[in-house]
Amino acid sequence: KAGVTQTPRYLIKTRGQQVTLSCSPISGHRSVSWYQQTPGQGLQFLFEYFSETQRNKGNFPGRFSGRQFSNSRSEMNVSTLELGDSALYLCASSTEGRVQIETQYFGPGTRLLVL
Amino acid sequence: ILNVEQSPQSLHVQEGDSTNFTCSFPSSNFYALHWYRWETAKSPEALFVMTLNGDEKKKGRISATLNTKEGYSYLYIKGSQPEDSATYLCALGGGATNKLIFGTGTLLAVQP
Repeated sequence: KAGVTQTPRYLIKTRGQQVTLSCSPISGHRSVSWYQQTPGQGLQFLFEYFSETQRNKGNFPGRFSGRQFSNSRSEMNVSTLELGDSALYLCASSTEGRVQIETQYFGPGTRLLVL
Repeated sequence: ILNVEQSPQSLHVQEGDSTNFTCSFPSSNFYALHWYRWETAKSPEALFVMTLNGDEKKKGRISATLNTKEGYSYLYIKGSQPEDSATYLCALGGGATNKLIFGTGTLLAVQP
């Protein structure tokens, strides 16, 4: 099976712009979670989608949003970018959506740089 | 707020040394403890998911134990090799929400 893929891999934006990142889970996986990693921080949970529904959202401002399509592919959007949004954004997928107890399969990440 | 702590932050060992790291977590509302290995420029890769107090899991030279009553897990690497160099992350599946809470990781560097 193909692994989790994320596009683009690298992105440079300027403050105030918006960005959309994409994540394609492993075939058959219905749950997609998104994480942000900044230097010195662990992976910070952004949100989790299952069957096109957002079930959980982390402690991030409303500028961070996402969605999931019927084929389980997910996108996250960040509007009005700030310098502090520069980070590695990872997505992870799992089968049944019981994120707490299921192995998570991670993509390679999208590295976003905001200038 | 659930908090997951990992120690040490970083570790430098010689090839052939055995080593271990610690992951501490609140023992209430526990569902599972995950360990992932994250090599530079690659995706985090699952090592273990442990759910039961006293669980011990092994994959090659790497093993892990779990104590849910006191809220800690140990990851052991026997006879470290340079290819073991990576950041080792633990994550707690706990509480009422369907998500993982990650520690900040232990960076292991194995010198040949």
